[in-house]
Amino acid sequence: EVQLVESGGGLVQPGGSLRLSCVGSEFSFSNNAMTWVRQAPGEGLEWVSTLVGDGHTTYYADSVKGRFTISRDKSRNSLFLQMNNLRAEDTAVYYCVKTALARENGGWKFDLWGQGTLVTVSS
Amino acid sequence: IVMTQSPATLSVSPGEGATLSCRASQSVSSHLAWYQQKPGQAPRLLIHGASTRATGISARFCGSGSGTEFTLNISSLQSGDSATYYCQQYNNWPPITFGQGTRLDIK
Repeated sequence: EVQLVESGGGLVQPGGSLRLSCVGSEFSFSNNAMTWVRQAPGEGLEWVSTLVGDGHTTYYADSVKGRFTISRDKSRNSLFLQMNNLRAEDTAVYYCVKTALARENGGWKFDLWGQGTLVTVSS
Repeated sequence: IVMTQSPATLSVSPGEGATLSCRASQSVSSHLAWYQQKPGQAPRLLIHGASTRATGISARFCGSGSGTEFTLNISSLQSGDSATYYCQQYNNWPPITFGQGTRLDIK
C-alpha cells in the first residue's frame, strides 16, 4: 500500500527547534515533488514548503521562510522539515504530502497525505 | 490569490444533494482542486483540474467551473460524506492557497 508516515512532532518551547521526518512506502521520493502542509487546531490548511525536481529547488511560505528547511534523503526514501526558532503560531498538525505536478502548468496537486504529526510550541 | 468558500457550514439530509462554492480573487483557469477531510483524518484529494475526479472517487462527486467561480456538487448524500471540504488553487504559485473550508453535516 502506498503510504506516508510522519514522525518527530512534540512539545517544544518558543525559540526551540524540531525536525520532522516522513517515510514513504511503495513509491519513490526521487521521482516526486513533496510538500509539507500544516493545520492549526480547529483551523484550515496552510501550505508550508515544497521540494521539487532534483531536491535543490525549494519553496517556502513567507511565514516560515528563513526558519524552516525542507530536505530529502533519497536512499532512505524520506522527507524532512527542520524547524528552527519556533513560535506559538507554528503549533499545528504537520502533514507530509506527495505532490503531483499538473501537466499543463506544473502546478502542485496534493494526491497522497500522511496522517500528520502534531507540533506544539508552548512554554 | 485568495480563495473564498461558501457557505461556511451546510446541513443536509441523507439522500439529498449539496452544492459547495469556491471563489478565487483572480482567475485560476481550471487549476483548482477539491479535498475532503473527515474528522480526525488527513485530507483526501477528490477533484483536480476543476472537474476531474481523482482515482477511486465516486461519481457522486462532481466539480465544475473555471476562472474565478467553482462548484462541488455531491449527490445522494450519505452519513460518510460528513466532512470539511477545501478548495485549492494551483494556477499561481508559490504560494499555494486553500479556501477556509465548508463543513458539511449530514443529519
